Amino acid sequence: DVKVTQSSRYLVKRTGEKVFLECVQDMDHENMFWYRQDPGLGLRLIYFSYDVKMKEKGDIPEGYSVSREKKERFSLILESASTNQTSMYLCASSSTSFDTSYEQYFGPGTRLTVT
Amino acid sequence: GNSVTQMEGPVTLSEEAFLTINCTYTATGYPSLFWYVQYPGEGLQLLLKATKADDKGSNKGFEATYRKETTSFHLEKGSVQVSDSAVYFCALTPFGNEKLTFGTGTRLTIIP
Repeated sequence: DVKVTQSSRYLVKRTGEKVFLECVQDMDHENMFWYRQDPGLGLRLIYFSYDVKMKEKGDIPEGYSVSREKKERFSLILESASTNQTSMYLCASSSTSFDTSYEQYFGPGTRLTVT
Repeated sequence: GNSVTQMEGPVTLSEEAFLTINCTYTATGYPSLFWYVQYPGEGLQLLLKATKADDKGSNKGFEATYRKETTSFHLEKGSVQVSDSAVYFCALTPFGNEKLTFGTGTRLTIIP
């Protein structure tokens, strides 16, 4: 089974802190994604990576950056956390094989609270 | 652009009731369609999918049929259980594109 793990389930940070959220997948997937989930808004794509060191902005990249130095690991960085970044953050990965319909596999999520 | 519209929740049903959660989409070409489920405190899991018109996806008693003429992918289950309580997301990927577009989710609660 595909496994996507995230470094923390719950995180509390102060305004202005630099925050790192880590995601690791074990299925050699080329694509990795970071989403945030907010009530009434569903999931919104923050950033997408289709290869090591490659990234593409999603729908809401402002205030975030990403790093992908190894194929299995995709990090989301909040350079200076703000209270409006309090949210659930979900990582996902998928294969580029068309046979999979690009099905995405999700991690358990990190609930980040910025105070 | 691409978009997914699903029925607003929350939805509350009694155990063994029939479930329908409506989902319609807007996309160019021939997208793949998905239903994901999120149980309390967990990430999303793929529930079922369909990749072409008239395909029926099914899993755990849930079904959804890809209707291109009505651009719909409604989720159904004949007899729900308390364990089906979760948030359900309809989603699509455009043809040849890896990015998912999600609906806003429908919270389902089943009472004994």
